[in-house]
Amino acid sequence: GQNIDQPTEMTATEGAIVQINCTYQTSGFNGLFWYQQHAGEAPTFLSYNVLDGLEEKGRFSSFLSRSKGYSYLLLKELQMKDSASYLCAVMDSNYQLIWGAGTKLIIKP
Amino acid sequence: ETGVTQTPRHLVMGMTNKKSLKCEQHLGHNAMYWYKQSAKKPLELMFVYNFKEQTENNSVPSRFSPECPNSSHLFLHLHTLQPEDSALYLCASSQDTSTDTQYFGPGTRLTVL
Repeated sequence: GQNIDQPTEMTATEGAIVQINCTYQTSGFNGLFWYQQHAGEAPTFLSYNVLDGLEEKGRFSSFLSRSKGYSYLLLKELQMKDSASYLCAVMDSNYQLIWGAGTKLIIKP
Repeated sequence: ETGVTQTPRHLVMGMTNKKSLKCEQHLGHNAMYWYKQSAKKPLELMFVYNFKEQTENNSVPSRFSPECPNSSHLFLHLHTLQPEDSALYLCASSQDTSTDTQYFGPGTRLTVL
C-alpha cells in the first residue's frame, strides 16, 4: 500500500528552528508537496520538490532524498503565525496526491 | 485569497436532508477536486474532474453526487448522509491533473446529526 508518515505534533519556541520530517512509500514518484494549513482555513502551497536536494524559499526550506523516500520542511526564525498544520503529499505514478495526516506545529513564546 | 471559494462555510444537516456544496475557482484552471478531511486523518480524494469530465471516483458512496457544469464550478450534492460523514469538505483546482500545484478553497465544515 501507499503510505506517508509524519509526526502528529511538534512544539518549538519563537525565534528557533524546527524540522518536520516526512517519509513515504508510494507507487511511483512525481514530486513531493508541502502545504500549510491554519485551523479552519484552506491548505496553502509551500513547496514542491521533484529532484534531490534543498529548495530554499525565505524562512522555509524543503529537502528531498528520493533514494531514502524522505523529505523534511525546515522553518527558521519561527514566528507565532507559523503555528499551523503542515501537510506532506506525494504525487504517485498516476498523478494522484497521497497525503500524510499532517503535523501540528505549536509555537511557544 | 487563493482564488477558490466554497459555500456554505458551515452546514448542519439531518440524515434525511438534501443539500449541496458549491465550489468556484477564478484561476482559469481545468481540473477540480473534492476532498474529505477528517480530524487527524490524511486528506481523502473523493472526485476529480478534468475539462468537466469525471476522471476519478475513489469508491465514494452514492449518497455523494458530484456535478461539474463547467471548468469553473463544482458541486457536491448530499443526500441521506450518515453521522460519520461529518468532516471538512475541501475543493481544489489545478491547471491540469499532472504535476501542477493544487489550490484549495477554505472548505465546508459539515455536521450530520
